[in-house]
Amino acid sequence: GNSVTQMEGPVTLSEEAFLTINCTYTATGYPSLFWYVQYPGEGLQLLLKATKADDKGSNKGFEATYRKETTSFHLEKGSVQVSDSAVYFCALRPAFGNEKLTFGTGTRLTIIP
Amino acid sequence: DSGVTQTPKHLITATGQRVTLRCSPRSGDLSVYWYQQSLDQGLQFLIQYYNGEERAKGNILERFSAQQFPDLHSELNLSSLELGDSALYFCASSGYVWGNTIYFGEGSWLTVV
Repeated sequence: GNSVTQMEGPVTLSEEAFLTINCTYTATGYPSLFWYVQYPGEGLQLLLKATKADDKGSNKGFEATYRKETTSFHLEKGSVQVSDSAVYFCALRPAFGNEKLTFGTGTRLTIIP
Repeated sequence: DSGVTQTPKHLITATGQRVTLRCSPRSGDLSVYWYQQSLDQGLQFLIQYYNGEERAKGNILERFSAQQFPDLHSELNLSSLELGDSALYFCASSGYVWGNTIYFGEGSWLTVV
């Protein structure tokens, strides 16, 4: 079946540090890949997505590249801010069949000033 | 604003009781998904409906049931509530297009006391 493995948290970084949150997946075919973010006390928001190999999703300074050869979709940001403190979820959705999202376990990120 | 509306936002109820959570999907979206987020279990897929019909079932307890109405809104019914049912319940919706994003509501916080 489909699965997503995410970097274990929590992760604590200083402001302006470089961020990487690792995400690898197992799926047949070419799923769509997503990063969702959950800010404290809020719901899930789509951060970025990629629908085919080598696509790069980007939003709010975050980037992730769909790597078919390594089955990965790592989230990166060059300079994090305190406002980026949140829980980040990697997820996949099969390419066909109107299927549900399969989520990773989430990575809690805390940025300290 | 994702366009997915959930009510109520917060709910406190006693063990053994029954509650109904309501979801209005984004305009035009035929698929509705329910997820449960608890502290120790992450995001668990419960059930999916497509245009009024059950499409997929995940880790949904027998005490829980859901339905999608002709106007496409959905309800999740939770009965014989236990302390362990305390969680954040998300509704999400999507259209039927390859690579389509699934959008989440802000969730309903259920506390069972």
